Amino acid sequence: AQSVTQLDSQVPVFEEAPVELRCNYSSSVSVYLFWYVQYPNQGLQLLLKYLSGSTLVKGINGFEAEFNKSQTSFHLRKPSVHISDTAEYFCAVRKTSYDKVIFGPGTSLSVIP
Amino acid sequence: DAGVTQSPTHLIKTRGQQVTLRCSPKSGHDTVSWYQQALGQGPQFIFQYYEEEERQRGNFPDRFSGHQFPNYSSELNVNALLLGDSALYLCASSLVGGVGFYEQYFGPGTRLTVT
Repeated sequence: AQSVTQLDSQVPVFEEAPVELRCNYSSSVSVYLFWYVQYPNQGLQLLLKYLSGSTLVKGINGFEAEFNKSQTSFHLRKPSVHISDTAEYFCAVRKTSYDKVIFGPGTSLSVIP
Repeated sequence: DAGVTQSPTHLIKTRGQQVTLRCSPKSGHDTVSWYQQALGQGPQFIFQYYEEEERQRGNFPDRFSGHQFPNYSSELNVNALLLGDSALYLCASSLVGGVGFYEQYFGPGTRLTVT
């Protein structure tokens, strides 16, 4: 069975500083990997996804993530954060194109002015 | 093109009551999945409907049931509500009956409060 770990439950960072949100997964088979963002009182929005190919994936709002198969990681990065990036971020995995999505517990990113 | 819509937005129920939540998938999508997101946690998979049948189910009791209609819209029913059922219920739609990978699109959710 797949599982997702997000070790950092809360990450405070100053505005315009870089940030990395960590994600590790476990799976006995190849999976698709995702990062979602959830703003307060809203649903989930897809930031980016890794399906295959290049291990560096670029998403919306200036975010990118790197897939590392040997370390089973899929860390999310942004070189310079804005106040508007304050939100909950979820890493997720999916085994096939029609399978359920398994989410991590989430990381709360707080951008400090 | 409308995305995934859910109704109602908020709902307050009493323990022991029954509730029905509704979801309309994104245009062109044929599969609906339901997730429960408790406060401060990641979403947990409840079940998935495709071709009007439940195709996958997560670790939820039989009090949670669903339905998919011929127009692909879906309902989530919860019977004998418990305080622990208080959560944000998210609906996600995708296209399975096609070629290639189709991502899930999430609706805004229904906030259920059980008192």
